[in-house]
Amino acid sequence: EAGVVQSPRYKIIEKKQPVAFWCNPISGHNTLYWYRQNLGQGPELLIRYENEEAVDDSQLPKDRFSAERLKGVDSTLKIQPAELGDSAVYLCASSLQGQGVNEQFFGPGTRLTVL
Amino acid sequence: GENVEQHPSTLSVQEGDSAVIKCTYSDSASNYFPWYKQELGKRPQLIIDIRSNVGEKKDQRIAVTLNKTAKHFSLHITETQPEDSAVYFCAARAGGSYIPTFGRGTSLIVHP
Repeated sequence: EAGVVQSPRYKIIEKKQPVAFWCNPISGHNTLYWYRQNLGQGPELLIRYENEEAVDDSQLPKDRFSAERLKGVDSTLKIQPAELGDSAVYLCASSLQGQGVNEQFFGPGTRLTVL
Repeated sequence: GENVEQHPSTLSVQEGDSAVIKCTYSDSASNYFPWYKQELGKRPQLIIDIRSNVGEKKDQRIAVTLNKTAKHFSLHITETQPEDSAVYFCAARAGGSYIPTFGRGTSLIVHP
């Protein structure tokens, strides 16, 4: 079974530029998460989707961040414009709601560097 | 909301020794406690988890203990090997929530 796929793996941009990340969850997983992981810290949730509906987005900086999950499968996370403090690893995770404790499976992440 | 504290931030041991990582949580409603291992540049991977109705769980060289009264849980790794070197994250998740709160991580270094 393929795991969570993310692209790109690395991205370097200048501040004020836009950037987008893409995530393909494990097939059949209806719940998708976007996390941000700063260096030396644990992942912090940005947004959670159940199918195509965003159900937890209180930590998403909505002035510059946006996300979508069309058709309840793939998802994109966008930052516009990027700031220096946005440099981090952006992790996507997915889980199958309703089975046990809903283990989350993480993707490899996108490492963003804002110059 | 939930607050998870994790200690130590760095742990250095000799191969064959045991390693213990401790976490505390604040929300008494939390009932699921996963531990993730993240090797350098790789994704976090679940290595063991425990639910609040269990006090201890073992899987080969790793074990997790939970003290609900004190609201703390610990990861124990015995007979450490160099390949155990990684950052370990604890997390706590309240009942009815799908969102775990992660600790800041412990960098475990196992010296051969």
